[in-house]
Amino acid sequence: AQTVTQSQPEMSVQEAETVTLSCTYDTSESDYYLFWYKQPPSRQMILVIRQEAYKQQNATENRFSVNFQKAAKSFSLKISDSQLGDAAMYFCAYKQGRDDKIIFGKGTRLHILP
Amino acid sequence: DAGVIQSPRHEVTEMGQEVTLRCKPISGHNSLFWYRQTMMRGLELLIYFNNNVPIDDSGMPEDRFSAKMPNASFSTLKIQPSEPRDSAVYFCASTSPYQETQYFGPGTRLLVL
Repeated sequence: AQTVTQSQPEMSVQEAETVTLSCTYDTSESDYYLFWYKQPPSRQMILVIRQEAYKQQNATENRFSVNFQKAAKSFSLKISDSQLGDAAMYFCAYKQGRDDKIIFGKGTRLHILP
Repeated sequence: DAGVIQSPRHEVTEMGQEVTLRCKPISGHNSLFWYRQTMMRGLELLIYFNNNVPIDDSGMPEDRFSAKMPNASFSTLKIQPSEPRDSAVYFCASTSPYQETQYFGPGTRLLVL
């Protein structure tokens, strides 16, 4: 069965600095998608970035980028120029290509220090 | 374009009462998912529908929980009777056949006293 592991329950970063959140996953499939979702204190689940496994190029969205290491089954999220509004719980998630369900990690709570 | 709409946003009820949570998916989306989030168990998938048909309800905790999707634009999650351990945030999410991303509603925060 596929699993998603986020080994860092909490992290802190100074405002304007860069932080990397770790995620590893386990699958024997070749067709899949990976996601990072952000959940701020409002509880709304917001898609931050997604990566298709067949794409070698790492996805980027403004200050957010991923380091997708397919062989290592690693999918880390880098946040550059951290802002106070980035404080949230971040969930890594996996979806098998032909499946409908998404498997979520336990989350990493990110604190931004002013 | 409106996102996933959930109502109510907050619900406080007493043990034993019936609770009905509502969800309107994004127009054109054909898959709908119900999740429950608690501190202890994290984010759990309860049930999901494709084209209004329940596909996988293995996450529904027990017979007190039921879900319906009578049409493409509306779904309900019902708890009867409710218990304090049902207190959680319940999310609805939807996706289309052309996308891989699930889009979440704002959630319903349920407190059962």
